[in-house]
Amino acid sequence: DSGVTQTPKHLITATGQRVTLRCSPRSGDLSVYWYQQSLDQGLQFLIQYYNGEERAKGNILERFSAQQFPDLHSELNLSSLELGDSALYFCASSTTPGGKTGELFFGEGSRLTVL
Amino acid sequence: SQKIEQNSEALNIQEGKTATLTCNYTNYSPAYLQWYRQDPGRGPVFLLLIRENEKEKRKERLKVTFDTTLKQSLFHITASQPADSATYLCALSSSNTGKLIFGQGTTLQVKP
Repeated sequence: DSGVTQTPKHLITATGQRVTLRCSPRSGDLSVYWYQQSLDQGLQFLIQYYNGEERAKGNILERFSAQQFPDLHSELNLSSLELGDSALYFCASSTTPGGKTGELFFGEGSRLTVL
Repeated sequence: SQKIEQNSEALNIQEGKTATLTCNYTNYSPAYLQWYRQDPGRGPVFLLLIRENEKEKRKERLKVTFDTTLKQSLFHITASQPADSATYLCALSSSNTGKLIFGQGTTLQVKP
């Protein structure tokens, strides 16, 4: 158990809909990362937050947004969903601030299926 | 553009042998290189971190080397066991960004 909690574990929805994925980092970790993993793309970096502020951005679509709240939990919002958004979405946390990445602790992921 | 390459073909070896996985990168000056293990449907699990000024790191049956001239890292599992069967991911981080970028991973299958 990594100590990172993601909900929901599974989510099935239709194209055009909007979903919110939630992540609670390990106790004491200030950095939260979001990754998308699909079969043909591998683990793709989306975005990183440190203590509530955005620190680094990957190839995150404009239809996707994220935030980190004062209690350090984070949410990833996916809107206008398309079939290609079906993937495993991982959240990870770390103790290090942005810029000197130490080891990441991953949650078990949220599996999104868009029909 | 920045690229991290791992052998996409699965590596099949016999139990007890040493498994060697390769990670090559281009257009990158990483400060850290990490290796993770991922089992099907699970989140990646951290194994080892090596810094740019370190040549080699060991942890139990695992050894990682980091050659910044060749832009390559090798990951070794000695005395491999069927329980070592998984996908192994290498990941790179620059010193000036918060990004940790992953390779596609190599699947290792250890046969008894």
